[in-house]
Amino acid sequence: SAVISQKPSRDICQRGTSLTIQCQVDSQVTMMFWYRQQPGQSLTLIATANQGSEATYESGFVIDKFPISRPNLTFSTLTVSNMSPEDSSIYLCSVTREVDTQYFGPGTRLTVL
Amino acid sequence: DAKTTQPPSMDCAEGRAANLPCNHSTISGNEYVYWYRQIHSQGPQYIIHGLKNNETNEMASLIITEDRKSSTLILPHATLRDTAVYYCIVAYDRGSTLGRLYFGRGTQLTVWP
Repeated sequence: SAVISQKPSRDICQRGTSLTIQCQVDSQVTMMFWYRQQPGQSLTLIATANQGSEATYESGFVIDKFPISRPNLTFSTLTVSNMSPEDSSIYLCSVTREVDTQYFGPGTRLTVL
Repeated sequence: DAKTTQPPSMDCAEGRAANLPCNHSTISGNEYVYWYRQIHSQGPQYIIHGLKNNETNEMASLIITEDRKSSTLILPHATLRDTAVYYCIVAYDRGSTLGRLYFGRGTQLTVWP
């Protein structure tokens, strides 16, 4: 399995500010994904982080709100921009290293006041 | 979008087998059935997956019906640590954008002593 770390593990932010979440993997992976889990809800896929190109966003998510970078095969960042209380969620990254198994990071718990 | 239907909650006595059902009547021929679980406040954990044959690993067994329209995850000897939300997901097996996972609401399994 892949060892995935996320920073920060949690944060409390003021509305209108932005937060960048980092996802680091212990080995090169093929695909990296970002998910959101709102309180009491299931996981929702935000986007696929493509190495060397723009991320591919799911319906309802846009680059201006959730810019994503993936400079190499082991690292990605997700920025939550111009935050509002509705952005309070757990944000998770996941990776695919083998052809058919996806592993998840521990998540970043974000609270927006 | 999630293509599976699961009961919202189930209970199981410790030491007994937990059988979690999942309906996926619109599954396509190239899609696998994946099971993940999420223990409170942690990232989802991969359990098992299968295409059409029954599968078993150290964590669980997966039984897929012959028509592939439903499946059952079996935890042979449930423990208190198995209390979690269990997600049944259908997805392609490739390490590409085809491997995106779409989560439904899952089944909250509670194991009681």
